[in-house]
Amino acid sequence: KQEVTQIPAALSVPEGENLVLNCSFTDSAIYNLQWFRQDPGKGLTSLLLIQSSQREQTSGRLNASLDKSSGRSTLYIAASQPGDSATYLCACRGDSSYKLIFGSGTRLLVRP
Amino acid sequence: KAGVTQTPRYLIKTRGQQVTLSCSPISGHRSVSWYQQTPGQGLQFLFEYFSETQRNKGNFPGRFSGRQFSNSRSEMNVSTLELGDSALYLCASSLLGLAASETQYFGPGTRLLVL
Repeated sequence: KQEVTQIPAALSVPEGENLVLNCSFTDSAIYNLQWFRQDPGKGLTSLLLIQSSQREQTSGRLNASLDKSSGRSTLYIAASQPGDSATYLCACRGDSSYKLIFGSGTRLLVRP
Repeated sequence: KAGVTQTPRYLIKTRGQQVTLSCSPISGHRSVSWYQQTPGQGLQFLFEYFSETQRNKGNFPGRFSGRQFSNSRSEMNVSTLELGDSALYLCASSLLGLAASETQYFGPGTRLLVL
């Protein structure tokens, strides 16, 4: 059974800092991994989707990497801004399971 | 292009009642997935519908059911509500669904409070 863990649960950084969010999964047989952002009381916004055959994906200041063999993904945010404050969630879709398994998220606060 | 819409946005019910939530996907999307989000359990997959057929189901009791119409709009029904059903219910849509490797687009959610 796939389990997804995100560490740390919460993170507070000053504006301008580069930061890394971590996601680990127990079953390496994943089809893809996605990173989402959730603002308080809102739905999820997709940030990046990494196919199982890919090592990383980039969008603007965001870079996500995937290492299936070690069961890890990281989301790198460059030059953080207060507008980046949100909860970041990763989710895996298994090779044989058509469902997304979510981590519990990292709550990020970027201080002005 | 309009995003995923969910109605109602907020709902208060009492134990034992039933509730129906609605989700309208992005135009052209044929897959709708439903999720429950609670502080204790996080985000959990309920089920996915594609072209009016339930394609996959999570580990929830039979009180949770859904359906999809020919225009891809989907409804989720919870019968005999329990206090623990209080949650944010999110739906997501995509063109081909979870069988393909594509981005899921989420709606704003329906916040259900069971008293």
